[in-house]
Formats: sequence, C-alpha cells, structure tokens
Amino acid sequence: GNSVTQMEGPVTLSEEAFLTINCTYTATGYPSLFWYVQYPGEGLQLLLKATKADDKGSNKGFEATYRKETTSFHLEKGSVQVSDSAVYFCALRRSDSWGKFQFGAGTQVVVTP
Amino acid sequence: DVKVTQSSRYLVKRTGEKVFLECVQDMDHENMFWYRQDPGLGLRLIYFSYDVKMKEKGDIPEGYSVSREKKERFSLILESASTNQTSMYLCASSLLGTGGATNEKLFFGSGTQLSVL
Repeated sequence: GNSVTQMEGPVTLSEEAFLTINCTYTATGYPSLFWYVQYPGEGLQLLLKATKADDKGSNKGFEATYRKETTSFHLEKGSVQVSDSAVYFCALRRSDSWGKFQFGAGTQVVVTP
Repeated sequence: DVKVTQSSRYLVKRTGEKVFLECVQDMDHENMFWYRQDPGLGLRLIYFSYDVKMKEKGDIPEGYSVSREKKERFSLILESASTNQTSMYLCASSLLGTGGATNEKLFFGSGTQLSVL
C-alpha cells in the first residue's frame, strides 16, 4: 500500500539553526512527492515538490531531494527563522488513483529567537 | 489571489444532528477534496470530486456524503453526527489533469474545527 512516515515533533530549535525533517514513503510505482506547510490558523500550502528520482525541489530556502534508493524525501533548511515555525507535512500523489494524496502525520517545528 | 473559502471556522453540533460543511473556490478548479486532520494521523481523504455531480470515495468515507451541484462549491454532509467525527475538516481544490502535473498542487482552505458533543 501507500504510506508516508515522517519524524515526530515537536522539533524545537534556535533561530539560524539547521533544520532536517525526515520523510520516508512506501508506494506503488514512482509517485510525485511534496512538502506542504501549515502556518498557525491557516490551511496547508505547497512548499515544494519533486516528480521523479533525483529531482530536487526548493523554495524559500527549503530543499528536498527525491531519493528512490532510500525511498526518502527529507526536508532541509540551512538557517531557520522564527517565521518558519509551522507544521510540515510530507505527502505523495498515489499512482493507483490520481486524486488521492497520501499525507504524513505532520511535524511541528518551533523556532525560538 | 486564489482562494478556497470554508463557511465556518468553528462549529459545535450535537450528536445525531445533520451537519453541512461548505466550501467554495474561486479558481475555476475542476477537482475538489475533503480531508479531515487529526493529531498524529495527518490528513485523511474523505471524498473528492473531479466534476460537477461526480464524486469518488476517499479512504474514510463512512458516515459522510458529499454534494457538488456547482463547479465552485463542494459540500460535506454528516448525516448523523457522532463524537468520533470531532475533527478539523479541510477543503482543497486543484486543476484538472488525470495524469499530468497540473493537478498536483492542492489549494487548501483554512479549515473548519467541528466539535460534536
């Protein structure tokens, strides 16, 4: 079946620290992979995506590389800001049904000044 | 600015009530989705629709139904609300595209926090 596993939070770190959020997946075929972010009181918004192996998605200083060999899509940012405090969701688009996206449980990130 | 609007931010209902959650998008998107978000479980798909009057079950459709009479509006219906339906409900939309990249970006509303007492 399809599943997405991401590290549990909350992850608490200081401003300018390095952030990594691990994400691994199981899926049939080669799904597209996504990171969505949810700021307090808002809906989710797309942060970045990758559609095939070795693709790197990037946006707002965040990066993630589609690793087929390890079935992973880890999110990284070199220097976080307080404004990066949010919940981050790893997701894939299932190849067995175009409309179905599989989301991870979400990782809360708290950045302190 | 593109927008997905959910009619209520917070809703409190009694067990057994019929509950309607409304969602409207102004982007002329063909696809619309209803998810529920629970701590530790992430988002789970309830139903989605790829056209007016068309719907497909998601992963957890039991206890829910949907209605899409107009392209811009997608309603989630709880026929007889139960306490285990207390949750955050998120509506989303995306462009048409059964296999291409155009439908891969989901646009979400801010959510409706439903409490069933």
